[in-house]
Amino acid sequence: QVQLVESGGGVVQSGTSLRLSCAASGFTFSNHGIHWVRQAPGKGLEWVAVLYYDAITEYYADSVKGRFTISRDNSKNTVYLEMNSLRAEDTAVYYCVRDWNIRASAIYYFDYWGQGTLVTVSS
Amino acid sequence: IQVTQSPSSLSASVGDRVTITCRASQGMNSWLGWYQQKPEKAPKPLIYDTSKLESGVPSRFSGSRSGTDFTLTISSLQPEDFATYYCQQYSSYPPTFGGGTKVDIK
Repeated sequence: QVQLVESGGGVVQSGTSLRLSCAASGFTFSNHGIHWVRQAPGKGLEWVAVLYYDAITEYYADSVKGRFTISRDNSKNTVYLEMNSLRAEDTAVYYCVRDWNIRASAIYYFDYWGQGTLVTVSS
Repeated sequence: IQVTQSPSSLSASVGDRVTITCRASQGMNSWLGWYQQKPEKAPKPLIYDTSKLESGVPSRFSGSRSGTDFTLTISSLQPEDFATYYCQQYSSYPPTFGGGTKVDIK
């Protein structure tokens, strides 16, 4: 079955960096775009970033552009989110999410979600 | 495209018919989905392309649209349906979510 397992969350100081990982299994990883979606405590959902199946095409929400970088290692079935210059407003549960589409541009419908990893940025 | 979800919360009883609406800020195609989220859990996809049920989702859930209004209906609320529901448009970039509707027990 499809599984996405995030790791790397924790408590960090404002202005510092953190790298999240997402290990995927149960599907052909290289066929799907992978997104990060976050949820601040008690708040709604916010799309953060995507890296297409081609491992080249990437897009970011304006709120993180220039600070966050998404990457993937198809040999390890893993996606990463490098987060720099962290701010208090980046505090959230970060979900790794699979794009529904196969070997094509991401369609931005999210059909499988990881359990999430909590990032807390203290000021 | 922004999606405005209403109501933000509602109280209902088991067996009730529940309706949640998302209004898009402009015209769009049918690329809208619905997710269910229970406390401390990841969102679970329910419906995609406005009205198509994900595998394993009970038939009491349904989706429809009228113009820029998209509706999630639960025909007979069950105890396991008490949760927060989110709509999400993927018709245009960037994808956006509604603010959520919390369904709790009356």
